[in-house]
Amino acid sequence: QVQLQQWGAGLLKPSETLSLSCGVYGGSFSDDYWSWIRLPPGEGLEWIGEVSHTGSTIYNPSLKSRVSMSVDTYKNQVSLRLTSVTAADTAVYFCARGHSYTWNYWSQGTLVTVSS
Amino acid sequence: QSALTQPASVSGSPGQSITISCTGTSSDIGGYNYVSWYQRHPGKAPELMISHVNSRPSGISNRFSGSKFGNTASLTISGLQAEDEADYYCSSYTSSATYVFGTGTKVTVL
Repeated sequence: QVQLQQWGAGLLKPSETLSLSCGVYGGSFSDDYWSWIRLPPGEGLEWIGEVSHTGSTIYNPSLKSRVSMSVDTYKNQVSLRLTSVTAADTAVYFCARGHSYTWNYWSQGTLVTVSS
Repeated sequence: QSALTQPASVSGSPGQSITISCTGTSSDIGGYNYVSWYQRHPGKAPELMISHVNSRPSGISNRFSGSKFGNTASLTISGLQAEDEADYYCSSYTSSATYVFGTGTKVTVL
């Protein structure tokens, strides 16, 4: 059984950098892809991007200029960085395991609030 | 990339069947059989209900079924139960090798 546990700062000021990490426990870290997905208050889910175990990435075009993802295969962790945050980046952020074009395991989510 | 279009809300009485639509384009839903559906209860992580248009993961009730015609996918919940009250999201792989979600549908059990 795969479990995803994430952590990171929950309160940021505008222009700061969002940084979240997600630990993967169980399963095979090297077989799948790892996505970050967010849910702004009162809105729908938004796919942020995806990183493979080799470190290859693909990002949502709307966020591409501000986002970066990385993996640490020794620690079985994936990380998200989003620069120059604004109030529009306030959301619950999830990491999820991508397998065959779906996400079958999700983290519990972290609420990140951007406020001055 | 634009979000896939879903109705904002759908409701039904216990025991009834409801269908949620998800409309995209030939660059996403119409081009691939990589449509998934997710259920999310308030404060919880989304749960995969349907993958690859119409496949149910292990443990998901057979009351949930999926289909696709052209650029529109659908999720049908039969024998509606109180526990089905939640938000539902579709998603699709796209021709840009990215993913896009639907706008989300709130299901209410009357």
